[in-house]
Amino acid sequence: AQTVTQSQPEMSVQEAETVTLSCTYDTSESDYYLFWYKQPPSRQMILVIRQEAYKQQNATENRFSVNFQKAAKSFSLKISDSQLGDAAMYFCAYRSIYGGAQKLVFGQGTRLTINP
Amino acid sequence: SQTIHQWPATLVQPVGSPLSLECTVEGTSNPNLYWYRQAAGRGLQLLFYSVGIGQISSEVPQNLSASRPQDRQFILSSKKLLLSDSGFYLCAWNYRPGGELFFGEGSRLTVL
Repeated sequence: AQTVTQSQPEMSVQEAETVTLSCTYDTSESDYYLFWYKQPPSRQMILVIRQEAYKQQNATENRFSVNFQKAAKSFSLKISDSQLGDAAMYFCAYRSIYGGAQKLVFGQGTRLTINP
Repeated sequence: SQTIHQWPATLVQPVGSPLSLECTVEGTSNPNLYWYRQAAGRGLQLLFYSVGIGQISSEVPQNLSASRPQDRQFILSSKKLLLSDSGFYLCAWNYRPGGELFFGEGSRLTVL
């Protein structure tokens, strides 16, 4: 079974600075999807960014980018120019391409605090 | 556009009482549906998923059950709640391969 590990329970960053959240995963599959989700205090989960394992190019969405290291099974999220609205729990997730339900496996989450 | 709703948003129940959380998806057909639980300060644990009406897969043995009586309706139930059932329950759906999960607003359950 696949597992996802986020080794940083909490992180903090000054507003306008850059922060990197770590994520590692364990799988024997060669093709899969990886996601970063954000859960703000309102509690509704929102997709931040996703990466297909077969793509070598790192995904980017505005101020959010990933560093995908397939051999190392690492998938970190970089947030540039941090804003107060970025404060939230961030979850890394893995999804196999196999199986009928394509269910996601989540890490434990990293709580990100933005200091003004 | 597709939307997902779950209710109730907040629920306080005594130990041993029944539970019913409901989730509905609008604007799509034949979605995959999921129930996740998020315990305080922890990640999301997949409880059940469904790829079609009446098709339920359970990920972990527990005091809960799920049903899908209609294509876009997913219900989480319990006959007798335990203290350990407290948590934040999230319903989610996805459709196409590669498509991300879309989550509902969540239901906070407190069992006393």
